[in-house]
Amino acid sequence: QSVLTQPPSVSAAPGQKVTISCSGSSSNIGNNYVSWYQQLPGTAPKLLIYDNNKRPSGIPDRFSGSKSGTSATLGITGLQTGDEADYYCGTWDSSLSAIVFGGGTKLTVL
Amino acid sequence: QVQLVQSGAEVKKPGASVKVSCKASGYTFTSYGISWVRQAPGQGLEWMGWISAYNGNTNYAQKLQGRVTMTTDTSTSTAYMELRSLRSDDTAVYYCARDLGYCSGGSCYRPTFDYWGQGTLVTVSS
Repeated sequence: QSVLTQPPSVSAAPGQKVTISCSGSSSNIGNNYVSWYQQLPGTAPKLLIYDNNKRPSGIPDRFSGSKSGTSATLGITGLQTGDEADYYCGTWDSSLSAIVFGGGTKLTVL
Repeated sequence: QVQLVQSGAEVKKPGASVKVSCKASGYTFTSYGISWVRQAPGQGLEWMGWISAYNGNTNYAQKLQGRVTMTTDTSTSTAYMELRSLRSDDTAVYYCARDLGYCSGGSCYRPTFDYWGQGTLVTVSS
């Protein structure tokens, strides 16, 4: 049972938009920055979003992040088959004194 | 270009120890911390702890306190993670990651893992 709650799976057609939610509490998302990671099958995670809504160099603007209260959202527009992956949110949790991740969301591009 | 290259797969018996290395290149090693994250088969990500490559300060996940030790060798730009008293549920892929954030006084700030190693599979089996 993860501290941050993500939907186990989402799906959408190529070219469409999808959002992935990450729900937490005041001890984590509510008072800390959120980052998002993409993990393609059999590979290491890759940073997509940091500080709630910033994109590292090289990440296309199809990927966006937002935060409101104790929830964060990853948005992906113009879906491509290459976006099929597991997506994780992460942040610091002051109650657990640990960096915590969501359980992951599997994106299927139909 | 920034690279983190980890040591190879390990098979250990319960009760044994494992030490995984993570050699960094392409940046000033002492300017960033390193976090270790593991992923059990078919499961999500679990943060294990953080080490400052500048001064060796550490911040371990409470769950692993007493079993894990993280160190660095600045002469070779290499970080190490040792896990002792291995159990079957320690079977996982272990990743090192460069951390743009930092930890101090038991808290971590703006954890951001921008580069990751390729992962090291540690299998614990009798």
